[in-house]
Amino acid sequence: DTEVTQTPKHLVMGMTNKKSLKCEQHMGHRAMYWYKQKAKKPPELMFVYSYEKLSINESVPSRFSPECPNSSLLNLHLHALQPEDSALYLCASSQEFGSAQGSYNEQFFGPGTRLTVL
Amino acid sequence: AQKVTQAQTEISVVEKEDVTLDCVYETRDTTYYLFWYKQPPSGELVFLIRRNSFDEQNEISGRYSWNFQKSTSSFNFTITASQVVDSAVYFCALSGSYNTDKLIFGTGTRLQVFP
Repeated sequence: DTEVTQTPKHLVMGMTNKKSLKCEQHMGHRAMYWYKQKAKKPPELMFVYSYEKLSINESVPSRFSPECPNSSLLNLHLHALQPEDSALYLCASSQEFGSAQGSYNEQFFGPGTRLTVL
Repeated sequence: AQKVTQAQTEISVVEKEDVTLDCVYETRDTTYYLFWYKQPPSGELVFLIRRNSFDEQNEISGRYSWNFQKSTSSFNFTITASQVVDSAVYFCALSGSYNTDKLIFGTGTRLQVFP
């Protein structure tokens, strides 16, 4: 299984709602990522988990709260979002993160969750 | 600092035409990786190629070919005999020798192939 799955595919929420995005992989990868992609822009890294521990937080506002309950699952909890948070949220996974110099761990991307905040 | 520039915002071609997508990068690292990803309207980022900075050999995969030139810091992507299914946004990306798994994306080039 070389797939990263994300649910839901689409999500519409109000600014007072609490919702969660889910990402799953069964490739035995120990690194998982959240990216945010606004329309007509490249993906921007938000968070990286390595061995279920948060390794990178790219100064993301606290209204986005990531969680990695186990090595196969990554959640993104959303609360009190703003309309400008509307975007495509992409999840990715790789074998590891932060390898020795000169090597690379390829990231496999999921199809994304298209989020609209009203 | 690392940076990737894709100067072509949008390209339109007619089916069967050849098209080249440009990518210019900046990095101070001596070891780095370059990538191309395809993003169709469905949204998923599809990996196309990875190139190590020490390997300047050009690569061909079917209708796709890549030209890596360190002297001009460019990693251009050519689609030969384009097809409607090639319509997508294409991203060039870079990762450095430290934090090797952190991808720096260019702004992308939207390719539209008309029948």
